[in-house]
Amino acid sequence: ETGVTQTPRHLVMGMTNKKSLKCEQHLGHNAMYWYKQSAKKPLELMFVYSLEERVENNSVPSRFSPECPNSSHLFLHLHTLQPEDSALYLCASSQDRGEGLRETQYFGPGTRLLVL
Amino acid sequence: QKEVEQNSGPLSVPEGAIASLNCTYSDRGSQSFFWYRQYSGKSPELIMSIYSNGDKEDGRFTAQLNKASQYVSLLIRDSQPSDSATYLCAVDSGGGADGLTFGKGTHLIIQP
Repeated sequence: ETGVTQTPRHLVMGMTNKKSLKCEQHLGHNAMYWYKQSAKKPLELMFVYSLEERVENNSVPSRFSPECPNSSHLFLHLHTLQPEDSALYLCASSQDRGEGLRETQYFGPGTRLLVL
Repeated sequence: QKEVEQNSGPLSVPEGAIASLNCTYSDRGSQSFFWYRQYSGKSPELIMSIYSNGDKEDGRFTAQLNKASQYVSLLIRDSQPSDSATYLCAVDSGGGADGLTFGKGTHLIIQP
């Protein structure tokens, strides 16, 4: 595997379900991100992990819960989602050089989520 | 609130012509600037990155940055039908809780 991989690629879930999205990066990066892409809207940053530490993003509802067990893996745990959460969820990774210098972000293929 | 503005288009350009895509950003402290290409149903892929004022060329692509005007552009020379996609401008202010701030994208159509 190369680059950034995501599983599953497609997910349909009911509002009472619990599911998890998985991301793995094979680029040796130390920062990982979750983005949400809805139709007609720009990509929205949800969470950032740099050096395995989460940087808070208070605008994301608590029904989304990230987990970063190591620098190569990132999860997004989903529970009691709403239909408006249906979107493409993208994972990205980059190398954080510190002192505000972060290199190019590379994206995974995304998980297309549909909440019924 | 950091903002990145792009004309959503569609921008229609004849094959072989130059396509010019523009982007403005609100955060004067922004340090890094990126152009991503996104085909329908696919994830964004990096086309160009630029960090300092001036032009940067890579093959048929040229990125232009003017920090004083808070403006970044992408030129595509000899446009091909395969260039038809949505082009996303992204700006990184660096560090902390920030990832990239994206514009809504410009939908480019290259007419054969």
